[in-house]
Amino acid sequence: DTAVSQTPKYLVTQMGNDKSIKCEQNLGHDTMYWYKQDSKKFLKIMFSYNNKELIINETVPNRFSPKSPDKAHLNLHINSLELGDSAVYFCASSSGRAPTGYTFGSGTRLTVV
Amino acid sequence: AQTVTQSQPEMSVQEAETVTLSCTYDTSESDYYLFWYKQPPSRQMILVIRQEAYKQQNATENRFSVNFQKAAKSFSLKISDSQLGDAAMYFCAYRHNAGNMLTFGGGTRLMVKP
Repeated sequence: DTAVSQTPKYLVTQMGNDKSIKCEQNLGHDTMYWYKQDSKKFLKIMFSYNNKELIINETVPNRFSPKSPDKAHLNLHINSLELGDSAVYFCASSSGRAPTGYTFGSGTRLTVV
Repeated sequence: AQTVTQSQPEMSVQEAETVTLSCTYDTSESDYYLFWYKQPPSRQMILVIRQEAYKQQNATENRFSVNFQKAAKSFSLKISDSQLGDAAMYFCAYRHNAGNMLTFGGGTRLMVKP
């Protein structure tokens, strides 16, 4: 009965490929996010999205794009993967109406070779 | 821009003792939320405790409590009666009003000695 689920958990791919990471939440939350955790464990917001607004961290390369088919899903698509994209990517969700804690997925470890 | 600083990259505590993890932040907002997250080796991000800035009372969750000093922009986490399962990375986070996004500190690795 996972609240925020991400697939795949591990992804190994070659430079230059395009890949997607899927995220689904069953909490009824109205806002979803993508965070990147680098090799030094530093966590940084990439995107915040609800059905009205997409907020993009200006440091995120435009090779990264969020895609939301509906309120419960926010997928991350990455074009032309680079070695520096290797990291753990976390999806999360929250309710904007009641700013309690965020619920995170278990993360996707992306390795670009 | 809001920043969050955790000045202790690593901390160590003896089992059953108390440890305090430090966090400071910078903001011009008057109302905001602060969080502590735990990340064990499984890499799952687990909410430990949250504090609403307009509340003067420090939040408490069982063995976890915070010392929130709004004027000093300080938000430390105290873990009492430390257990082996408390060993993890701990992240302090500030919630932005715009977009509800979180800014995280660099993390503190907590080791618990038996």
